[in-house]
Amino acid sequence: GENVEQHPSTLSVQEGDSAVIKCTYSDSASNYFPWYKQELGKGPQLIIDIRSNVGEKKDQRIAVTLNKTAKHFSLHITETQPEDSAVYFCAASPDNYGQNFVFGPGTRLSVLP
Amino acid sequence: NAGVTQTPKFRILKIGQSMTLQCAQDMNHNYMYWYRQDPGMGLKLIYYSVGAGITDKGEVPNGYNVSRSTTEDFPLRLELAAPSQTSVYFCASSGRFRDGYYEQYFGPGTRLTVT
Repeated sequence: GENVEQHPSTLSVQEGDSAVIKCTYSDSASNYFPWYKQELGKGPQLIIDIRSNVGEKKDQRIAVTLNKTAKHFSLHITETQPEDSAVYFCAASPDNYGQNFVFGPGTRLSVLP
Repeated sequence: NAGVTQTPKFRILKIGQSMTLQCAQDMNHNYMYWYRQDPGMGLKLIYYSVGAGITDKGEVPNGYNVSRSTTEDFPLRLELAAPSQTSVYFCASSGRFRDGYYEQYFGPGTRLTVT
């Protein structure tokens, strides 16, 4: 089955700097890669996703890149703000339409003022 | 829309007790899921359902049971609770984007402690 690794497990950045979180997956059939943000005491929430036919996607300060050959994808957050502090999870899905995911272990991001 | 709701928010169980975690969604989603999240770890899939009357095991189903009699509700049953079931439990439901892919919506979680 699919296995997703995520690095780093913790990340601290100064406010205004960029943050990068990297994930690798094992199943070459995976074709949908969402990223979820979990704030303290809450459930995860989708922030961005990418399909296998796209190499990069941006949404304001966040972007995701995908390298299918190397089987890795990354989340980039620019101009970080204190409200970006949270746990971020990557996930991969081998299903045709992303019905089921396998999540990575998570990255705790702290943005220092 | 309330989205995905879970009850209770917190619960302490003694070893060997049983309980049901409730989950409901009002988005008319076909797919529903139960995950557990251990401290500092990612989400592990316990069970999922593709529609009323249909359930299937995920990665860590042992010690749990589910049922799906309606589209809206997906309760998780713990029989004979064990300390290893101490965790935060998340319910999620999933519906299709306009382009055909699924987005999972999560509830606020239930923090369960077994002592």
